[in-house]
Amino acid sequence: AQKVTQAQTEISVVEKEDVTLDCVYETRDTTYYLFWYKQPPSGELVFLIRRNSFDEQNEISGRYSWNFQKSTSSFNFTITASQVVDSAVYFCALDNAGNNRKLIWGLGTSLAVNP
Amino acid sequence: EAQVTQNPRYLITVTGKKLTVTCSQNMNHEYMSWYRQDPGLGLRQIYYSMNVEVTDKGDVPEGYKVSRKEKRNFPLILESPSPNQTSLYFCASSQTTSRSYNSPLHFGNGTRLTVT
Repeated sequence: AQKVTQAQTEISVVEKEDVTLDCVYETRDTTYYLFWYKQPPSGELVFLIRRNSFDEQNEISGRYSWNFQKSTSSFNFTITASQVVDSAVYFCALDNAGNNRKLIWGLGTSLAVNP
Repeated sequence: EAQVTQNPRYLITVTGKKLTVTCSQNMNHEYMSWYRQDPGLGLRQIYYSMNVEVTDKGDVPEGYKVSRKEKRNFPLILESPSPNQTSLYFCASSQTTSRSYNSPLHFGNGTRLTVT
């Protein structure tokens, strides 16, 4: 069975702190894709990153970085020097590259960055 | 601007009154899909479409219909809405060919539906 677990339901930090959001996934497929999406209070879903199962290189984009480790089936997301605008719900999702392109979603981590 | 447009953003209706939520994308994407988001259940796929006139059920299709007569449009139809269909709905689109598989799902801004 495929599953995505985001164990942290809510995280609260003070501005400028670093914060890591955990994502653990389960799949038997050898080809798959992992995503992170951001849902700000306004409600839309914003794509952040896509990573395929054959590319374990970590990625950095400004204050955002992602650590993909197949050995532990994890795809963690770190925000460095958090800002109030980072406050949102963050979702990790798994795509098994099947024809239906269905994403298996974690339940999300609600991040509150306080001034 | 490349986007997925859903309408309306908010809708309050009564049980049994047919409604349609529209979805349109301007990226010439082949693939489109509908999701609903509920607290504690996350996002679940309702229906998807691989191309014009090709649609299929997702995980929670009961009570919904879709159509894909044109590439850009993928409306979600609730023939007889019930209170358990109160939810936040998202339309999404993407490319599907392997050569362009680096295309993620692009989501609309969501439609918050309340059925009383």
